Amino acid sequence: LAKTTQPISMDSYEGQEVNITCSHNNIATNDYITWYQQFPSQGPRFIIQGYKTKVTNEVASLFIPADRKSSTLSLPRVSLSDTAVYYCLERTTGGFKTIFGAGTRLFVKA
Amino acid sequence: DVKVTQSSRYLVKRTGEKVFLECVQDMDHENMFWYRQDPGLGLRLIYFSYDVKMKEKGDIPEGYSVSREKKERFSLILESASTNQTSMYLCASSSRENTEAFFGQGTRLTVV
Repeated sequence: LAKTTQPISMDSYEGQEVNITCSHNNIATNDYITWYQQFPSQGPRFIIQGYKTKVTNEVASLFIPADRKSSTLSLPRVSLSDTAVYYCLERTTGGFKTIFGAGTRLFVKA
Repeated sequence: DVKVTQSSRYLVKRTGEKVFLECVQDMDHENMFWYRQDPGLGLRLIYFSYDVKMKEKGDIPEGYSVSREKKERFSLILESASTNQTSMYLCASSSRENTEAFFGQGTRLTVV
């Protein structure tokens, strides 16, 4: 079973900022939080990863509070092409298992 | 450009057939994974391998086996295909630190 919980779906409009929150109440000390994006008929693609506080790259920002029991993926000014499924998962350093949940289906409207 | 290549994009097999799904990666990764993806269920881990000839069961290994004779190649075997194995199969690889997994394009298998 996936260790994380996230909303099943979200709708947004072009140009808006989208925040997707993930709960991971039992995250282990050594685990990182990783987010993937998946378009239809493609394999998932790595977006961003963090341990705590804030991480930003050219695609997204990831906010992880001090207790690390949740995280928020922030997509600035989404476009239609950001319509995809977004997965939040825990990753153990040096571990082998990468467990995905059902993900959040984001639908961006014009 | 890094690559994980799955041998077939679409496959149709008959019930009872032995099916081989092949995956090759060119990144010299230690870890390789096989997932299946079904609507509403996300990705479920079938098997993974952290070294040549090493394998570990994932969450749903029943009805499947794997082979890793070379570092770059990881094969998923359906010993006797059944209709409930109709699914999208995704292969992935990652380095030993497991920082980021790279996925193939997937094989859509239909068992009739």
